[in-house]
Amino acid sequence: QSVLTQPPSVSAAPGQKVTISCSGSTSNIGNNYVSWYQQLPGTAPKLLIYENNKRPSGIPDRFSGSKSGTSATLGIIGLQTGDEADYYCGTWDSSLSAGEFGGGTKLTVL
Amino acid sequence: QVQLVQSGSELKKPGASVKVSCKASGYTFNRYSMNWVRQAPGQGLEWMGWINTNTGIPTYAQGFTRRFVFSLDTSVSTAYLQISSLKAEDTALYYCARDSNSMEFDNWGQGTLVTVSS
Repeated sequence: QSVLTQPPSVSAAPGQKVTISCSGSTSNIGNNYVSWYQQLPGTAPKLLIYENNKRPSGIPDRFSGSKSGTSATLGIIGLQTGDEADYYCGTWDSSLSAGEFGGGTKLTVL
Repeated sequence: QVQLVQSGSELKKPGASVKVSCKASGYTFNRYSMNWVRQAPGQGLEWMGWINTNTGIPTYAQGFTRRFVFSLDTSVSTAYLQISSLKAEDTALYYCARDSNSMEFDNWGQGTLVTVSS
């Protein structure tokens, strides 16, 4: 059972927007940077967002990240069928002295 | 470009051991820590711990403190994960991941599938 809570699934139509939440506590999200990862079927995870809201080079600006208090959010606009994947948040937990991932959210583009 | 290339799939019997390698290239190996992440079939990502590539000191997550060992061979820029006394529940994909800044994994290996079955 992860200390970071994500919805198991979200869905939206092509061209629409979606948000994926990641809820934690002061010992993790509240006091540490959040990263987001995209895992396409059958592939390794890929870094989408780091330091709460920064995009690595090559990640389109359709993807955005934000953080408020003990929650973080990944936003995707202009959804494409190629965005269908599992999305994970990740951060450090200072109380546990451990890295943590959320349980993952499966995005379906209808 | 940065690459992490892992060793191939393994099929092992219960009680055996396995050693997974992760060869890094395209950057200075000892400037970034190396983390290990497990993904059981159909499940999410689970952080196993990390190894300091300067000192070789490993840190293990809870649940990975007894049969799991992280090691390095810096002469060939390679990190290793060894699992002993394998159990069926160790069946999973194991990923190495380069850490840029405390759980910011900017490069991942392709994953190594370890299957434990009699």
